[in-house]
Amino acid sequence: SQQGEEDPQALSIQEGENATMNCSYKTSINNLQWYRQNSGRGLVHLILIRSNEREKHSGRLRVTLDTSKKSSSLLITASRAADTASYFCATDASNTGKLIFGQGTTLQVKP
Amino acid sequence: EPEVTQTPSHQVTQMGQEVILRCVPISNHLYFYWYRQILGQKVEFLVSFYNNEISEKSEIFDDQFSVERPDGSNFTLKIRSTKLEDSAMYFCASRKYVGNQPQHFGDGTRLSIL
Repeated sequence: SQQGEEDPQALSIQEGENATMNCSYKTSINNLQWYRQNSGRGLVHLILIRSNEREKHSGRLRVTLDTSKKSSSLLITASRAADTASYFCATDASNTGKLIFGQGTTLQVKP
Repeated sequence: EPEVTQTPSHQVTQMGQEVILRCVPISNHLYFYWYRQILGQKVEFLVSFYNNEISEKSEIFDDQFSVERPDGSNFTLKIRSTKLEDSAMYFCASRKYVGNQPQHFGDGTRLSIL
């Protein structure tokens, strides 16, 4: 299947440190997206990277994409306690736009 | 900023009963989706909907599930005869175009089957 697999499953860091999450997938894609989910809430779109892009920035977020390795990483710099959440990668590979999500990384940022 | 809204936020239903989950996508969006997330697991695609018909569905979306856009604003997911394993968070999402566009998600409906 075209699943996104993420690692680590859980990450605990101190405020101010950087957090890196990785995602791997199995098939060719149109784009890869990262979403954030606070406990009990919906998914919030963070960033989308197209298959022909290698790196993208948005504020404190940096996403890379390596299509040869079928992998992506999300870097959150200068983390804050408010960044505590689950982060999911999702791949878009169909012409209907459906997303296939990874298992997610649970990030805890300690103040 | 426009949002996808879902009602109810929590639905408790007896096994075997029918349930309808409601969503109001963002008004100028054309593509609609339902996903579910069983507690502690990943988000799973159920169905995509465009131009008043299903464009793709997953293996999970069997005959007990149906979707409808009954008017210009609502998008509903019906589960005909609920099972215990249908207990999950159900998320509605919409996007304006297919292609390199993000999906916008609602806050979900927590469905609990007793």
